[in-house]
Amino acid sequence: QQQVKQSPQSLIVQKGGIPIINCAYENTAFDYFPWYQQFPGKGPALLIAIRPDVSEKKEGRFTISFNKSAKQFSLHIMDSQPGDSATYFCAASNTGAGSYQLTFGKGTKLSVIP
Amino acid sequence: ETGVTQTPRHLVMGMTNKKSLKCEQHLGHNAMYWYKQSAKKPLELMFVYSLEERVENNSVPSRFSPECPNSSHLFLHLHTLQPEDSALYLCASSPHRDHSYEQYFGPGTRLTVT
Repeated sequence: QQQVKQSPQSLIVQKGGIPIINCAYENTAFDYFPWYQQFPGKGPALLIAIRPDVSEKKEGRFTISFNKSAKQFSLHIMDSQPGDSATYFCAASNTGAGSYQLTFGKGTKLSVIP
Repeated sequence: ETGVTQTPRHLVMGMTNKKSLKCEQHLGHNAMYWYKQSAKKPLELMFVYSLEERVENNSVPSRFSPECPNSSHLFLHLHTLQPEDSALYLCASSPHRDHSYEQYFGPGTRLTVT
């Protein structure tokens, strides 16, 4: 029940395309859903996050869509650029229980071709 | 940079060696974390420290021994490791354990066990 399932494992898009990465969860107690971006040789960095009381959150070219009934959320990258090439991780947390754990997906390696 | 540094960045050690990984955060945070990152697997939380007290040990083998002398420094002592322990070891910090979702990661130590 603690799993977060992420797909696809890898994704190749042309510059300007809109890659979409999907995640699904089982634990209905999760109430915070961040996305992390990791470049080679770097640690993951918090990119954008959403709580289940909203269905969409946008920050710059990055948008999270959230479907509470389906227990799914996704990351969309508008007008993707080669500099967006990285591995993206979704995660989930139950903040209400005083939990200190983030449950991560396995990651999606995104390549944006010029 | 994220304000979390890790040394060394790369480490090769034999199975009979003893080595230590170091993490330092310059963010004034009160919680620190050790993660193991292996290819095609979700990030695995190993240890959590909150105000220098260990609050989580996710059934990690005893050949990994953490130490947190103060809220800015975290060590991972390694001894008699196995080849399957080869991975990227990431340190992270958060303002305090109840804000675990705001985790800031270091660049990691790439460990190879021969």
